Amino acid sequence: GAVVSQHPSRVICKSGTSVKIECRSLDFQATTMFWYRQFPKQSLMLMATSNEGSKATYEQGVEKDKFLINHASLTLSTLTVTSAHPEDSSFYICSAGGAGSSYNEQFFGPGTRLTVL
Amino acid sequence: AQSVSQHNHHVILSEAASLELGCNYSYGGTVNLFWYVQYPGQHLQLLLKYFSGDPLVKGIKGFEAEFIKSKFSFNLRKPSVQWSDTAEYFCAVNAGQAGTALIFGKGTTLSVSS
Repeated sequence: GAVVSQHPSRVICKSGTSVKIECRSLDFQATTMFWYRQFPKQSLMLMATSNEGSKATYEQGVEKDKFLINHASLTLSTLTVTSAHPEDSSFYICSAGGAGSSYNEQFFGPGTRLTVL
Repeated sequence: AQSVSQHNHHVILSEAASLELGCNYSYGGTVNLFWYVQYPGQHLQLLLKYFSGDPLVKGIKGFEAEFIKSKFSFNLRKPSVQWSDTAEYFCAVNAGQAGTALIFGKGTTLSVSS
């Protein structure tokens, strides 16, 4: 299957700082990328959907000014958590789908563990 | 809006026991259905998927699932579990259109004792 990478795998930051997480599709062109959030012992909650070259679509309750998503190329999407606070600590997972993948299948990255002190 | 229900929060089995994890979804249109597994400390892995065709789908590691359209269900089964199957299992669904996000169930924790 297709490979999706995320960087960094873990990040610890101070409250009030911003953190950028990268999601890359390594061997296919991802026309659509999705960002999910997973709290401990809970399921994945969709945060936003991004299509290459256009603005991301955010789910209800997700602050677009706090979670900035950029999908500038067919292989890279970034999620920036701005002015992070302890309640933003979570596991962030991206997935990618599109050209080269089976119809409507998505491939998940390994996730990024964010801890805000 | 789509939603996914997983009935079992935590399942505890002995090795060699049979497994069935329930999954029901609510969506009136064409759907794609998935089961993912997340081993402790690891990322999501796709177990199996259903897009169309034979409603009995076979996946990796001896898992299978049956899509019953009339019941809006996609239950996961394995005839004989192993200790290494201890993990979190997620059922997910998306609408049958390209580029739609997955909606996940809350997950089922499976603990297998040797």
